[in-house]
Amino acid sequence: DAKTTQPTSMDCAEGRAANLPCNHSTISGNEYVYWYRQIHSQGPQYIIHGLKNNETNEMASLIITEDRKSSTLILPHATLRDTAVYYCIVRAAGGGNKLTFGTGTQLKVEL
Amino acid sequence: EAGVAQSPRYKIIEKRQSVAFWCNPISGHATLYWYQQILGQGPKLLIQFQNNGVVDDSQLPKDRFSAERLKGVDSTLKIQPAKLEDSAVYLCASTTPQDASAFFGQGTRLTVV
Repeated sequence: DAKTTQPTSMDCAEGRAANLPCNHSTISGNEYVYWYRQIHSQGPQYIIHGLKNNETNEMASLIITEDRKSSTLILPHATLRDTAVYYCIVRAAGGGNKLTFGTGTQLKVEL
Repeated sequence: EAGVAQSPRYKIIEKRQSVAFWCNPISGHATLYWYQQILGQGPKLLIQFQNNGVVDDSQLPKDRFSAERLKGVDSTLKIQPAKLEDSAVYLCASTTPQDASAFFGQGTRLTVV
């Protein structure tokens, strides 16, 4: 699996958009970009994934650059409950493939 | 839909003792993972099952860790004997070949003293 690079930590004001970047310059053509988050004392939770088109769901939006070497997860209106570690993972298609986690980005949403 | 169930939630043991963790995946999920998460790090895959067969156990310390998934449903992870460096959260996850996402349990926090 390709490696990813994320900032160690970020802060965001409540109600503002949180933009979390991820670099994955060695991503292969069949690898998807996945985002998970882990709230303190809980297991990781799936957020969103994409191949090359931008994606949006009820939780977030995923913007992938045209060359697919980087992506940004956008939480449009961050709340205190969005405080968590956010993991960007590249993974081959198929639910049977493993997830390889890095150290992620600690997002702190503040009043 | 019930989530991935893990027990116990917390466990404290002395070094050289044995411990076992249990995982009940989401019904119908053929793929099951065990991850180890040391404080401050991301989860690390220990073993992956497809039904009751092992797909990947390359990072499982086989001299002290073992896992099984009899009947392709529930799974247990055992450590014997435990070391101080085994203190971590042990996470279980499950998915199907068609799912894009894996579903994680809350984990078992192990402290070895």
